[in-house]
Formats: sequence, C-alpha cells, structure tokens
Amino acid sequence: QSALTQPASVSGSPGQSITISCTGSSSDVGGYNYVSWYQQHPGKAPKLMIYDVSDRPSGVSNRFSGSKSGNSASLTISGLQAEDEADYYCSSYTSSNTLVFGGGTKLTVL
Amino acid sequence: EVQLLESGGGLVQPGGSLRLSCAASGFTFSSYALSWVRQAPGKGLEWVSAISGGGISSYYADSVKGRFTISRDNSKNTLYLQMNSLRAEDTAVYYCAKGFSSGWYRMNYWGQGTLVTVSS
Repeated sequence: QSALTQPASVSGSPGQSITISCTGSSSDVGGYNYVSWYQQHPGKAPKLMIYDVSDRPSGVSNRFSGSKSGNSASLTISGLQAEDEADYYCSSYTSSNTLVFGGGTKLTVL
Repeated sequence: EVQLLESGGGLVQPGGSLRLSCAASGFTFSSYALSWVRQAPGKGLEWVSAISGGGISSYYADSVKGRFTISRDNSKNTLYLQMNSLRAEDTAVYYCAKGFSSGWYRMNYWGQGTLVTVSS
C-alpha cells in the first residue's frame, strides 16, 4: 500500500487560510469517507484534528475543516495562528482493511 | 483522563525480538480498538497494526505481517506488540493509539511513544 501524497511543505501568514491536499486512489481516499487528519508538533504525539473527512472532535478549533472530492481530500486552516505551525498527516482506511498515512506536510507560519 | 503509556522499547540486534506494552487508563478498555503506529527518526507516520476491542479481529501492515503480533489483555488494560525478526527499517518510535468511537481507523488519543532501535 503506497503512502498517500501530500505536499512536503506549505506556508502562510497569520490570519490567512491555507489548504493541504492528500491524494490517494479509489482503494482508499476515493472509496471510503474515513479520512482523518493529524497535527504533530516537534517531539510530541499526533493529535486528531479531523475524522471521517470533515468531522471535528470536541475541542478542536472550527478554524480547521476538511473536505473530499474523488480520490483527494483536503485540510483547510483558516485564520492562521503561530501555534498552527506543525506537521500535518492525512490517513485513510483502505480496501485491504489497513490504514495508510500521507507523507506529511510541514506548515510554516511566516 | 485517558492515558496511554508505552514501554518495552530499546536496542535490539537485527533478527532479534522485542515485546512492547501499552498500559491504558481513563476509559473502558475493552470497548475500544487500539492501534500501533510508528515513526522512523525524521520521517512520517506509518500504521503498523490494530486490534478490535474484544481482541477477536486484528489487522497488519504488509511491512510487518508475519513478523509482528498484536494482542491485548482486557483484564490488565494492556496492549502488546510482539516483534520478531526485527530489521533495521523497524527502527522507530512506536506509539499506541486509541480508536475513536466505533472505528479503529481513527485515533483520538496517543501515547508518548517508545523508541525501538534495531542495530548491531
């Protein structure tokens, strides 16, 4: 199972919006609404930000939103804040009854 | 408060074995699936294995199938990962993670990880 494709890096200024893409195939992203997004700060454990494409766990800011079209999913962060600077990973359930992650995207807040 | 505490990591030679443990508290352990996810130094996340709440169903990444075995003891609130035939590419921080709601494929709590180093 190949990793999902994410851009290596994205950047934005405080207050701006950014979008991180996550591209897979019909066997994972396109076939199921089980895409999740995780935020990871250096040296820390990942944190669930979005699940089932667009749902937010309790306590996650509504500045974070998710969507999906075909074999690609996206994470949008609006009103960028310095604390959003982190690595972001998408994941998807697959037709092989496994889970696949994206390669990760480093978000820099300028 | 949900807590997941991994242990058992360390230095092991190629071809060797290691058993990781994850002690859980703060939730009804047997009601939730659990997973192991690893992260090689400076690299991204890689899902390793998952097990259902009752321990009946288990799932593995191709990269570890046949070498790693996931299990759980619901009487001890503990998750395990038995790792055999270890390779250099298994070097990573291993996290245990709790499934969210009814799905093992979304994880809402993670431990802090335990480092496994495979080297001669």
